[in-house]
Amino acid sequence: DQQVKQNSPSLSVQEGRISILNCDYTNSMFDYFLWYKKYPAEGPTFLISISSIKDKNEDGRFTVFLNKSAKHLSLHIVPSQPGDSAVYFCAASAGDDKIIFGKGTRLHILP
Amino acid sequence: NAGVTQTPKFQVLKTGQSMTLQCAQDMNHEYMSWYRQDPGMGLRLIHYSVGAGITDQGEVPNGYNVSRSTTEDFPLRLLSAAPSQTSVYFCASSFGLARPQHFGDGTRLSIL
Repeated sequence: DQQVKQNSPSLSVQEGRISILNCDYTNSMFDYFLWYKKYPAEGPTFLISISSIKDKNEDGRFTVFLNKSAKHLSLHIVPSQPGDSAVYFCAASAGDDKIIFGKGTRLHILP
Repeated sequence: NAGVTQTPKFQVLKTGQSMTLQCAQDMNHEYMSWYRQDPGMGLRLIHYSVGAGITDQGEVPNGYNVSRSTTEDFPLRLLSAAPSQTSVYFCASSFGLARPQHFGDGTRLSIL
């Protein structure tokens, strides 16, 4: 059973606009959430995280929002740039347990 | 600072062969893990280690073996390669299980 779900395999966004990547989870014990970015032929790189005690965390152009009641989180990228084209993985963990990854969403930034 | 180094980057094996994927980190991280990435499947945990001498199974451990004799190294062994093990393998390390992980650039493995 998939505990972390990224239901959109791909997303296309115009350069300069906002990109919104979504992630749903089923395990109510998850208390720490992360987003990773992956370019082809490279390993994933950590982007931003959020603890369940917060509902928003911001780092430059990247903001993660957490809605615990809906078991939903989203990553906002504003403004979107060509270098943001990549696969984005949502991930979550419960306490000190290992991190569970979603299947990823491929973001295409259009010129 | 090299971070997480994986070797080789590419490998082709025949069914039944064995091999070891190497992973080394220079950040003094206690936690290391191996993932495989398959199309449409995301990153699936194979094995992980919370410190030297301690390993545990992840989601898809069958057909793989690991050991952790030092903090720096965490090799992954394929005992008898099967076509289903064709994948891209990533090694990662972090200060703790539920902390952001640093990934290597992966090993692309093809089993014929």
